Amino acid sequence: DTAVSQTPKYLVTQMGNDKSIKCEQNLGHDTMYWYKQDSKKFLKIMFSYNNKELIINETVPNRFSPKSPDKAHLNLHINSLELGDSAVYFCASSQDRDSETTNEKLFFGSGTQLSVL
Amino acid sequence: KQEVTQIPAALSVPEGENLVLNCSFTDSAIYNLQWFRQDPGKGLTSLLLIQSSQREQTSGRLNASLDKSSGRSTLYIAASQPGDSATYLCAVESPHAGNMLTFGGGTRLMVKP
Repeated sequence: DTAVSQTPKYLVTQMGNDKSIKCEQNLGHDTMYWYKQDSKKFLKIMFSYNNKELIINETVPNRFSPKSPDKAHLNLHINSLELGDSAVYFCASSQDRDSETTNEKLFFGSGTQLSVL
Repeated sequence: KQEVTQIPAALSVPEGENLVLNCSFTDSAIYNLQWFRQDPGKGLTSLLLIQSSQREQTSGRLNASLDKSSGRSTLYIAASQPGDSATYLCAVESPHAGNMLTFGGGTRLMVKP
């Protein structure tokens, strides 16, 4: 009955490879997110996506792309992996993120630890 | 640009103590502030959400306060227990940050039996 689940939990891969991390939420939420947590534990937003729009943090390289086959899924694709991509990636969801009605709690997945060798 | 700072970065206390975690943010134009708990391998759990119009929120032994004008929030944990050991993060949602959350670096709390 996990609310937000992401797979795999651990991902070890070589530099230059292309990989994907999957995320699914069963909360019926409208908006999903990807966050990156760096080695200093800072969490930074990468993408925010609902059925209306995709908001991209401008600092995210275009090697990263979100793919949403339906409202319950938001997968993260990473092309040409680099050493600096090593981090923990968190998926999250909230009911809605309409600009008029914020104040929605976020629910997080357990994270995917990506190690690029 | 919104920046969130948490002090201290790490804290170790004996069981039973009351403690306060601090969070400060640079842009007082926020919609809300949330406190999260992060356990290794278990992701983040939202503990309390304080809307910009509110001064505090309480949940069990946790009390979070918000002083928007001074850009500060505190998380008060009463009668700490070893099970409270975790990293605590605060995050603010700001219109100037695209309505997204900006996180602090967290406070790593260890409660010793």
